[in-house]
Amino acid sequence: DIQMTQSPSSLSAAVGDRVTITCRASQTINNYLSWYQQKPGKAPKLLIFAASTLQSGVPSRFTGSGSGTDYTLTINSLQPEDFATYYCQHNYYTPRTFGQGTKVEVK
Amino acid sequence: QVQLQESGPGLVKPSETLSLTCTISGHSISSDYYWDWIRQPPGKGLEWMGAIYHSATTYYNPSLKSRVTISVDTSKNQFSLKLNSVTAADTAVYYCARASSIMAPFDYWGQGTLVTVSS
Repeated sequence: DIQMTQSPSSLSAAVGDRVTITCRASQTINNYLSWYQQKPGKAPKLLIFAASTLQSGVPSRFTGSGSGTDYTLTINSLQPEDFATYYCQHNYYTPRTFGQGTKVEVK
Repeated sequence: QVQLQESGPGLVKPSETLSLTCTISGHSISSDYYWDWIRQPPGKGLEWMGAIYHSATTYYNPSLKSRVTISVDTSKNQFSLKLNSVTAADTAVYYCARASSIMAPFDYWGQGTLVTVSS
């Protein structure tokens, strides 16, 4: 199985901050990397797929980058509705595994 | 608008079989999409359980060994999850989701249903 490791596990930020979350795969996943946002009591919401493609309807302040084994989710100018937990996930082959999550909290 | 809705018992006894159904609206289950189950223990991360495609091709997470079965009922536009020999470790919110291929992300999710394993 491919292991997905996110860092940090949590972070504190203020509205307007730029936030960066990283995700490392245990082997190359050729950009088959997605990012999800999850709020308490809700299902995850797809933000980015194929490492850098923004899902329809997702604000452009969310950007994804990376290649090989290392990927990054950046939130530019954090908004109040962005406080949530973020997960990366690979789709390279089964089993499709997720990172452990990064909780973005209010500073 | 595609919608997925999980349903099933919220409480299952240890050693018994957990059974859930996902009802799809706004999309045919017979189309070229993959239909997945994903779970999340309380306060923990997400675990992909398995997927089904065209009612016949299935993919399962080896971590669940032979305990999991996913099937389709095309007449009801539903797919189902069965997990046998459950323990307290199977207590989780169970989500159904859709992907356009086995290498694509999950673009639609159900709201999730909590299943507790307890006697």
